[in-house]
Amino acid sequence: AQSVTQPDIHITVSEGASLELRCNYSYGATPYLFWYVQSPGQGLQLLLKYFSGDTLVQGIKGFEAEFKRSQSSFNLRKPSVHWSDAAEYFCAVDSNTGNQFYFGTGTSLTVIP
Amino acid sequence: GAGVSQTPSNKVTEKGKYVELRCDPISGHTALYWYRQSLGQGPEFLIYFQGTGAADDSGLPNDRFFAVRPEGSVSTLKIQRTERGDSAVYLCASSLSGMNTEAFFGQGTRLTVV
Repeated sequence: AQSVTQPDIHITVSEGASLELRCNYSYGATPYLFWYVQSPGQGLQLLLKYFSGDTLVQGIKGFEAEFKRSQSSFNLRKPSVHWSDAAEYFCAVDSNTGNQFYFGTGTSLTVIP
Repeated sequence: GAGVSQTPSNKVTEKGKYVELRCDPISGHTALYWYRQSLGQGPEFLIYFQGTGAADDSGLPNDRFFAVRPEGSVSTLKIQRTERGDSAVYLCASSLSGMNTEAFFGQGTRLTVV
């Protein structure tokens, strides 16, 4: 069965520093992969997605992610973090049927001045 | 509407009571999903509708949980004989045709069973 692991429960970075959030997936075929962000009191917002093609995908708010099949990873990156990026980040993989996502447990990001 | 709307935003109920949670998807979206998010966890799939029918209800934890979407738009998640373990945020999402197209999430209903 598909699954997603986000090894880091909580990360703290300084504003302006670079960021990398880890995501590892388990899937038998080429996965569809997603990163969502959840701010307090807000719904989940799609940051970016990977279906096929270029393994480096660009998303909204300056985020990017790289699909590495050999490492079963889809890590999220941002070169320079802003205070407004503080939120919960979820990685997700599509099911075989396309009917549902399997979400990781999330990484909570704190940004310090 | 402009986005996925869920009502109520918060619901407190007593153990054993019946509750209904409503989801109003984005107009024109045929696919609708319910997820449950417990504290410190990622969302867990409950049920997926394509139009009026439940295409996949494999995530419903037991027969106390039921969901309907009679006209292919608004959906209601129904929980009978609520238990304290049902306390969670219930998220609804909709998309044009399926999860491979972008899914838009509502803000969720926080259910607390006391």
